[in-house]
Amino acid sequence: DGGITQSPKYLFRKEGQNVTLSCEQNLNHDAMYWYRQDPGQGLRLIYYSQIVNDFQKGDIAEGYSVSREKKESFPLTVTSAQKNPTAFYLCASSIDRIEPQHFGDGTRLSIL
Amino acid sequence: GENVEQHPSTLSVQEGDSAVIKCTYSDSASNYFPWYKQELGKGPQLIIDIRSNVGEKKDQRIAVTLNKTAKHFSLHITETQPEDSAVYFCAARATNTGNQFYFGTGTSLTVIP
Repeated sequence: DGGITQSPKYLFRKEGQNVTLSCEQNLNHDAMYWYRQDPGQGLRLIYYSQIVNDFQKGDIAEGYSVSREKKESFPLTVTSAQKNPTAFYLCASSIDRIEPQHFGDGTRLSIL
Repeated sequence: GENVEQHPSTLSVQEGDSAVIKCTYSDSASNYFPWYKQELGKGPQLIIDIRSNVGEKKDQRIAVTLNKTAKHFSLHITETQPEDSAVYFCAARATNTGNQFYFGTGTSLTVIP
């Protein structure tokens, strides 16, 4: 079945550590996205990528980094510069920037 | 940029009743409005959408209406069932900001059997 796979489902980070969240899609979509979801708030865009080897900052990119070396993969690194990283992170993909997005099941990141 | 507001934040209905969730948007250039359903521990799933050249769209028990003049759109669920219980998000695609999607803050719907 085609879809978006996020791993791990739960992730714990110590203070000062960088952690990387995985996102893989087999939908042959060109565009991929990372969102952050906090209680009582809508989804906020962290980064997006329209094609391989290209990505753009979203509304809350500070403290995060991404790469897009393969069409299928769009990993997100939460760096130690992100002071409030505890959240639910959602990866999405779409055929292009105009078409609706399909979401993975998320990774919940917590600080130890 | 676009600002999407969603109401109510929580909604409880009896099984079989209807549920209505409303969203407003600020950017008149927004032209596409999807609705997502998110179950606990899962990612949002697209359930219905509407484009700005259409006033209403229906899919079985779910319908969406759009009022471009007032800049608001609504999700209507009829004959609610317990499996409709979830968090629902509206979104608007803003053409003025590179087709970025802006999301509402979500409505937690509980259908009481």
